Amino acid sequence: DTEVTQTPKHLVMGMTNKKSLKCEQHMGHRAMYWYKQKAKKPPELMFVYSYEKLSINESVPSRFSPECPNSSLLNLHLHALQPEDSALYLCASSHLGTVYNEQFFGPGTRLTVL
Amino acid sequence: KNEVEQSPQNLTAQEGEFITINCSYSVGISALHWLQQHPGGGIVSLFMLSSGKKKHGRLIATINIQEKHSSLHITASHPRDSAVYICAVDKLIFGTGTRLQVFP
Repeated sequence: DTEVTQTPKHLVMGMTNKKSLKCEQHMGHRAMYWYKQKAKKPPELMFVYSYEKLSINESVPSRFSPECPNSSLLNLHLHALQPEDSALYLCASSHLGTVYNEQFFGPGTRLTVL
Repeated sequence: KNEVEQSPQNLTAQEGEFITINCSYSVGISALHWLQQHPGGGIVSLFMLSSGKKKHGRLIATINIQEKHSSLHITASHPRDSAVYICAVDKLIFGTGTRLQVFP
C-alpha cells in the first residue's frame, strides 16, 4: 500500500465550528507532514511529526491543532477558523533520515471557511 | 529573494515539443526534488536528486551542485503532462512552481 489517504475531500465550515481533518498511511513512514496550499501558490509547511512527536511547528496559529495518535494516523483539529484559512490542506509522509526523503502526498482536503 | 526560484512561471507548448523547466536555489542542499501537481491537488514526487541525472520515461532531471541549478526536461510532451511542476529542496523549501499547459 503506497497511498496516503485524506478525509474529507471537501469541507465547508463556519467560523464557530470545530472540525477535524484526517490523514492515514500504511507505508511504515515515521514522518508525517501537514501543508497548507493557497491557490496558485506552492505548499507551505505547517507541522512535522517524527515518531509521533511534533518536531516542527512553523508558527501556525493555535486555531490549528495537530495530533498524531499513532504511527499511521495524523489529524488536524480546526477551531474558530477565519475565511483566510480557506485552502487545500495536504498531508504527506516519508521515511525518516538525515536528508529530505521522498514524500508521499495525499490528495488533500479542500477547506472553505464561511 | 526566494531561496528556490523556478522559471518560467508559466509555459505553454504544443504536443510533441521538448520542454525545459529550471530551478535555482541559494541554500546548501542534500537533495532536490521535482514534484508534479495536477489540477485538483494531488502531488506526485517525480525525482529526488543529489547529483547528476535521472531519467524516468519521458522525464529527465539534472542537477549541477556547483551552480546550484536543476532542470526538468519533458521529451515528446503530451496534454496529460499539463500540470504544475514544483522544485523543492531539503529543509522543505518549495519553489513557486511552473504551470505547464500542453495543447494537442
